Amino acid sequence: DAGVTQSPTHLIKTRGQQVTLRCSPKSGHDTVSWYQQALGQGPQFIFQYYEEEERQRGNFPDRFSGHQFPNYSSELNVNALLLGDSALYLCASSSIGQGFDNEQFFGPGTRLTVL
Amino acid sequence: TQLLEQSPQFLSIQEGENLTVYCNSSSVFSSLQWYRQEPGEGPVLLVTVVTGGEVKKLKRLTFQFGDARKDSSLHITAAQPGDTGLYLCAVRTSGTYKYIFGTGTRLKVLA
Repeated sequence: DAGVTQSPTHLIKTRGQQVTLRCSPKSGHDTVSWYQQALGQGPQFIFQYYEEEERQRGNFPDRFSGHQFPNYSSELNVNALLLGDSALYLCASSSIGQGFDNEQFFGPGTRLTVL
Repeated sequence: TQLLEQSPQFLSIQEGENLTVYCNSSSVFSSLQWYRQEPGEGPVLLVTVVTGGEVKKLKRLTFQFGDARKDSSLHITAAQPGDTGLYLCAVRTSGTYKYIFGTGTRLKVLA
């Protein structure tokens, strides 16, 4: 079992550009959540996808959007990048069958640097 | 806005020492999770506590959920270098699928 995988590992972009990050959930999981973790802080919830739809959203602007595919993998897109978007972006997968307090499994993250 | 405050922010101790880290809030939660995150990796779930006053043990780690379900503590006995990492508490916002993480305690155990 490969666990949660994310790509790319690292990414450098310039202000104003757009970026797409990818996540493959753990085998058997159908729900994907995305988090932003700034240096020295805890992760902040961006949104969660289930059945190819955004089920819950955190306090992030519309520049942050996502998608979930039929195979449960997911993408996070960020448009018009700002310096403040520099962070570690984490993907977490879980199974709806576990209920509300389901265990989330995190990927290693994508380190995004905006110059 | 719910806020989880963790203390201390940083902790550097010698191998063999005991330590306690705290997670506090003014809100009541149905459950609380503790994670450990190592450099270059995502957080890994250590435990979920659900009942006020509950105590759970995981080898040398002891987790306690406050009686009022507003706070929690993590106690490590005889810390080892392998315990080094960022310890995070997290709760699910009531009635939603959104998780809030605490500010984290960065622990370094020196050999």
